[in-house]
Amino acid sequence: AQKITQTQPGMFVQEKEAVTLDCTYDTSDPSYGLFWYKQPSSGEMIFLIYQGSYDQQNATEGRYSLNFQKARKSANLVISASQLGDSAMYFCAMSARGYQKVTFGTGTKLQVIP
Amino acid sequence: SQTIHQWPATLVQPVGSPLSLECTVEGTSNPNLYWYRQAAGRGLQLLFYSVGIGQISSEVPQNLSASRPQDRQFILSSKKLLLSDSGFYLCAWSDRRGTDTQYFGPGTRLTVL
Repeated sequence: AQKITQTQPGMFVQEKEAVTLDCTYDTSDPSYGLFWYKQPSSGEMIFLIYQGSYDQQNATEGRYSLNFQKARKSANLVISASQLGDSAMYFCAMSARGYQKVTFGTGTKLQVIP
Repeated sequence: SQTIHQWPATLVQPVGSPLSLECTVEGTSNPNLYWYRQAAGRGLQLLFYSVGIGQISSEVPQNLSASRPQDRQFILSSKKLLLSDSGFYLCAWSDRRGTDTQYFGPGTRLTVL
């Protein structure tokens, strides 16, 4: 079974500052993927970034980077230079390769303060 | 590029009425398809997923059903809606040859009165 834990229900960050959203996971599968999604108030789930369990380097996509620490089973999302438009819910998720399904965390609500 | 459509965007239905939500994907073939429900302020609950035409896996027993009549079409249905069926319904697809990344549609906000 897979489990995703997001312990921060809500966070605040000052505009232009960096912020880290925490995510830990648990799985017995040797091959898996980790994902982060953004859900603004409109409701649409927007894919942000992916990290494979065998990837040697941390994934980056523009202002988003995934701090992958395999031994600690953590996959934190780092958003650099926060913008007002980053205010949203953020969900961490994972899948075991070939499992066809994704397990989602409970989300973190990020609010960017001007 | 791939696009996923859902309709309607919003729906208000009385208790006991039927439901049909439709999801279609463009720009890909043989996708995995998923239906999720999200209650207000909560996470995502996987309802159904499909790896091919006519192949449906149910995750949560309830009064909803799903069908996949065509490769890129996924339908969520109910014969009689309950108050507890209210929520935000999201359809998603993934490329079975890829990384399992799921891409979501815009969602349908359903209110059962």
